[in-house]
Amino acid sequence: DQQVKQNSPSLSVQEGRISILNCDYTNSMFDYFLWYKKYPAEGPTFLISISSIKDKNEDGRFTVFLNKSAKHLSLHIVPSQPGDSAVYFCAARRSGNQFYFGTGTSLTVIP
Amino acid sequence: NAGVMQNPRHLVRRRGQEARLRCSPMKGHSHVYWYRQLPEEGLKFMVYLQKENIIDESGMPKERFSAEFPKEGPSILRIQQVVRGDSAAYFCASSPRPGQGPGELFFGEGSRLTVL
Repeated sequence: DQQVKQNSPSLSVQEGRISILNCDYTNSMFDYFLWYKKYPAEGPTFLISISSIKDKNEDGRFTVFLNKSAKHLSLHIVPSQPGDSAVYFCAARRSGNQFYFGTGTSLTVIP
Repeated sequence: NAGVMQNPRHLVRRRGQEARLRCSPMKGHSHVYWYRQLPEEGLKFMVYLQKENIIDESGMPKERFSAEFPKEGPSILRIQQVVRGDSAAYFCASSPRPGQGPGELFFGEGSRLTVL
């Protein structure tokens, strides 16, 4: 049972434009949501997070939006840069410190 | 380097052999997670441990796979009698005790197992 879903396996965006990566979840008990970025042959690195009591968190070019009623979150990257090309994983934390990951979206930023 | 350390980075085994993957968590972290990434797939949770205790092993295959996190030393993921389908990248992550810090996981660089 996939509790965190990323329905777009890939996304291509022109450099300088906005990248929007989407994530849906099913468990209303998740209290914390995270985005990770992964380059080939490396481990995932933490990018940005948001608590379930907030609806927006911004860090430089990265903003995460949370819509609890829709059980949906999104990551916005603006402006997109070629170095942002990577696989992005959405994750959610449940009480007990258990984390669930989506299947990832491969972002390609075209110069 | 105070990050999560995994070794070996690459491991080749023949069918039927044993694979042992090791993970040393970040300094001060007492919780370890193992995830598996099969080719073209996402991160699949396997097991969540703290020192000398398995908290959640619901993602572990019922046979051939085991994990431990002893009082001293690294966490070990052990795969007995490997088969070709075990070929994957195995990632370890650590976190501080729940309630300490913002709560994100910190990942190692992964161990890539190839079964011939």
